[in-house]
Amino acid sequence: DGGITQSPKYLFRKEGQNVTLSCEQNLNHDAMYWYRQDPGQGLRLIYYSQIVNDFQKGDIAEGYSVSREKKESFPLTVTSAQKNPTAFYLCASSDLQGARVNEQFFGPGTRLTVL
Amino acid sequence: GQSLEQPSEVTAVEGAIVQINCTYQTSGFYGLSWYQQHDGGAPTFLSYNALDGLEETGRFSSFLSRSDSYGYLLLQELQMKDSASYFCAPMDSNYQLIWGAGTKLIIKP
Repeated sequence: DGGITQSPKYLFRKEGQNVTLSCEQNLNHDAMYWYRQDPGQGLRLIYYSQIVNDFQKGDIAEGYSVSREKKESFPLTVTSAQKNPTAFYLCASSDLQGARVNEQFFGPGTRLTVL
Repeated sequence: GQSLEQPSEVTAVEGAIVQINCTYQTSGFYGLSWYQQHDGGAPTFLSYNALDGLEETGRFSSFLSRSDSYGYLLLQELQMKDSASYFCAPMDSNYQLIWGAGTKLIIKP
């Protein structure tokens, strides 16, 4: 079955440590996205990538970094510079070439808690 | 600028019909999507309107008026499993979805 996987589901880190969240998709989608969601809030775009080896900052990129070395993978690093990293992180992908360009497919999310 | 307005919370009774309204302002506009998110879960796609009018998918329908920058999601024959947050998400000229805080739908038996 095609889909998006994120690991781990829950992650705990000490303040000041960098942490990398994994996102893999086997949908052959060109575009991938990272969102952050805080309790009771909507999704805020951190970074997105529409092609391998290229990515763009979203609305809240400060304190985060990404890479897109392969079409299938879009890992997100939460650095120690991110002042309030505890949140629910969602990865998504979409097919920019197909008829369903409007539809984003989401992974199950990673809940990061910084102690 | 960009803005999005939805009610923060709507309450309805099982078996009833509920409408969730959405008004938006974006820089460029391709269409309006609706997503459902259960507590602790990921958003899932419900519907998309590129043109004015009503799109029906089973118990759910979505409407768009481009001239009014307005849309709504209509849920019929409400079931307890429909309790979730619903997000309208307009797509701007860069193919980016604009997300608001969503509408929490509470269904009572």
